[in-house]
Formats: sequence, C-alpha cells, structure tokens
Amino acid sequence: SQQGEEDPQALSIQEGENATMNCSYKTSINNLQWYRQNSGRGLVHLILIRSNEREKHSGRLRVTLDTSKKSSSLLITASRAADTASYFCASYTGGFKTIFGAGTRLFVKA
Amino acid sequence: GAVVSQHPSWVICKSGTSVKIECRSLDFQATTMFWYRQFPKQSLMLMATSNEGSKATYEQGVEKDKFLINHASLTLSTLTVTSAHPEDSSFYICSARGLAGPGSTDTQYFGPGTRLTVL
Repeated sequence: SQQGEEDPQALSIQEGENATMNCSYKTSINNLQWYRQNSGRGLVHLILIRSNEREKHSGRLRVTLDTSKKSSSLLITASRAADTASYFCASYTGGFKTIFGAGTRLFVKA
Repeated sequence: GAVVSQHPSWVICKSGTSVKIECRSLDFQATTMFWYRQFPKQSLMLMATSNEGSKATYEQGVEKDKFLINHASLTLSTLTVTSAHPEDSSFYICSARGLAGPGSTDTQYFGPGTRLTVL
C-alpha cells in the first residue's frame, strides 16, 4: 500500500480539549504536511515541516517530526466545534510524490 | 497564494460513457500535476503523475487505458474516465507543483475536487 498509517482513525473530544493525531510514513521524506478536509470538500493546507525540523507551531497547531521513527504528530490545542473534520498527513518523498496517510476523523462536541 | 481549479465540480453520468475532468493552475505554471482518487471516508490515493508534454506515470493498480491523462500545457491537465462504471464513482482531486514564484516547489497546491457519480 502506498499509504502511511494514522492513529487514531477517529477521535471524539469536548470543545476546549486538546486533540493529538499521529502519523507514520514509509520512506525517507523531504517534508511532511498536514491537511484538513471537511466532509465532501477539498483539502486545506495546515502546516509543512521539513525533514531537518523537529517541531513547528502555527496558531493552535503544533507539529512534531521524528525522522528516526518515521512519524509525526499534530496537536490542536483548545479545540473548537469548527475543528471537526478529517486530518491527513502527507509525506513528500524524493520521488516527487506526495503520499497521504489514512487520516483521522476528528469530532469536537460543543 | 497559488490557485488550482477543477472543472466540473461534480458530474453525473450513465454507465459506459466517458467523462473528462479539467485541472488548471490559474496563476502559476505547473510542470508536474498529480491526480488522486478518494472514496468515501477514505484517504487520497495517488493515481498518476503527469509532466507537461510527456506521458503520465501511473501508480500500481491504476489502469492507464481507463484513466487517460493529458498534460498538454503548463497550466492544464485533464483526466478522462473512459467507459465509466458505478465503481468509478469517487472524488477526484488534482494537484499541481509549480515553478519558482507563486508555486513553490515545496508545496503542492490542490484543486477543490470533482465528485463523479456513475449511474
């Protein structure tokens, strides 16, 4: 399979709580990106982390990258109902392809 | 930022017909375009990579005779689903990687997707 894995597959939390999603990929990467997708809609680019970076922040988002474990995590702090969506990691490989993880479906209850 | 458009945004067709989906980079030149397919509640699966002026490279398991890809210019790629069947119903998303300028080589820009329903 071309895809990496993400866990959890689904996550349900209360508004105000933090949400953590994990992603693993299979090959060496140049960078890794996280996207959000609302049901039936297109992708929204959230954040990019390069292979030589370990952590990156953007607003309420925090991304970490561990290239030795081929894994990344996305933390959304102080979640809101509007954060309800599917979240995908996407690894950009040296083959100039972007391969998506399986995705995590996040549901934030108001 | 760079914009990628797709047309149509949704299409319904009868089984056995062919459907063409267009992908355009609106404000940058895309040397490479990618086509993805997404089934309900699943992730995006890369179907093929196309470079302007050359034949597309298909991922394993994707039928090149069924999914015809043409990347005729630096701003346009088309995906034609030939002899479509109900199992081809899916969300098709294109993306483009551009030259220096608005289209950074570090980031792929994604189109909004085309929902295909084959009856």
